Amino acid sequence: AQTVTQSQPEMSVQEAETVTLSCTYDTSESDYYLFWYKQPPSRQMILVIRQEAYKQQNATENRFSVNFQKAAKSFSLKISDSQLGDAAMYFCAYRGGSQGNLIFGKGTKLSVKP
Amino acid sequence: EAGVVQSPRYKIIEKKQPVAFWCNPISGHNTLYWYRQNLGQGPELLIRYENEEAVDDSQLPKDRFSAERLKGVDSTLKIQPAELGDSAVYLCASSLDIGEQYFGPGTRLTVT
Repeated sequence: AQTVTQSQPEMSVQEAETVTLSCTYDTSESDYYLFWYKQPPSRQMILVIRQEAYKQQNATENRFSVNFQKAAKSFSLKISDSQLGDAAMYFCAYRGGSQGNLIFGKGTKLSVKP
Repeated sequence: EAGVVQSPRYKIIEKKQPVAFWCNPISGHNTLYWYRQNLGQGPELLIRYENEEAVDDSQLPKDRFSAERLKGVDSTLKIQPAELGDSAVYLCASSLDIGEQYFGPGTRLTVT
């Protein structure tokens, strides 16, 4: 069975600084996708960034980028120039290539200090 | 474009009472998911529909939970009777086939 582990329950960053959130996963599949979701207090899950396992290049979306280490099964999220609006729960998620279901980690609560 | 709509946003009930949640997916999305998110945890899949068919309900506690997606659009998730441990946020998501999932705002259920 696939598992997703986020080892940092809470993280804090100063506004305008950079923070990295960690995620590891376990799978025997070769075709899969990895995601980072943001969940603010409003509870709505918002997709931040996605990575296809077959792509060697790390995904980037504006201030958000990932460090995808396939052999190590590691998928960290880097947030640059942190903003107050980035404060939220961040969830790492896995989806098998032929499956629709997302498997989530337990999340990391990110606080941004002004 | 309207997003995934869920109602109610909040529900408080006493244990042993029934409760139902409603979800309207994004127009054109044939796949619909119900997830349960316990406090301090990530969401976990309860059931996945492709059109009207429940293709994965292996995590749905069938003794008290039921779901339906008539006509392959709206869906209802029901709990009867509710237990204290059912207190959680119930999230609905939709996608086109197994593409990107879009989530609704969820229903926070409190069972007292």
